[in-house]
Amino acid sequence: NAGVMQNPRHLVRRRGQEARLRCSPVKGHSHVYWYRQLPEEGLKFMVYLQKENIIDESGMPKERFSAEFPKEGPSILRIQQVVRGDSAAYFCASSPSAGTLGVVGYTFGSGTRLTVV
Amino acid sequence: GENVEQHPSTLSVQEGDSAVIKCTYSDSASNYFPWYKQELGKRPQLIIDIRSNVGEKKDQRIAVTLNKTAKHFSLHITETQPEDSAVYFCAATGGTSYGKLTFGQGTILTVHP
Repeated sequence: NAGVMQNPRHLVRRRGQEARLRCSPVKGHSHVYWYRQLPEEGLKFMVYLQKENIIDESGMPKERFSAEFPKEGPSILRIQQVVRGDSAAYFCASSPSAGTLGVVGYTFGSGTRLTVV
Repeated sequence: GENVEQHPSTLSVQEGDSAVIKCTYSDSASNYFPWYKQELGKRPQLIIDIRSNVGEKKDQRIAVTLNKTAKHFSLHITETQPEDSAVYFCAATGGTSYGKLTFGQGTILTVHP
């Protein structure tokens, strides 16, 4: 039973290029969350998606960042025209449900470490 | 929105001592409070959690307490071991936040042999 799978583990991009980060949730999980962790800082929420829907993108920068979770395939976090400040670890988590009692079975992936040079 | 404050930012203890990390939250609607342990370069791993209908929960050497009135919760680690050295994060969610976790700033725990 594989956990949350993220790829690539490490990604190097030059300034101005695009970065695509992939997240495959735990089998049966339909809720995906993306977090960003800057060096020596805590995790900051970016976006919450269910299949084909963005539920909450309040933590997502307004420009250059987008996320999707299609009916088939992994969730994708896309960063266009990357800048040095985008260098961080990006973690994805999945859960089977999210209701008024909070999160159930929330599992993090191993993250993608993005370095912009 | 929710705001979570975590203290201390660093904590150094001798092996065998206890360690306590404290967090406060702002949103009274929050009802789920997990604690994560993150080793260098690795994923955050859930070590214990507590829901708002419970005041205390224990799992071997780890315990969490919750004071809803004061809106704070704490992680207690007893009989610390060098392998407990890591960064610990508290988080909160609930109410209208659904699955969105708001994390504290983290505590770097160092256990000296």
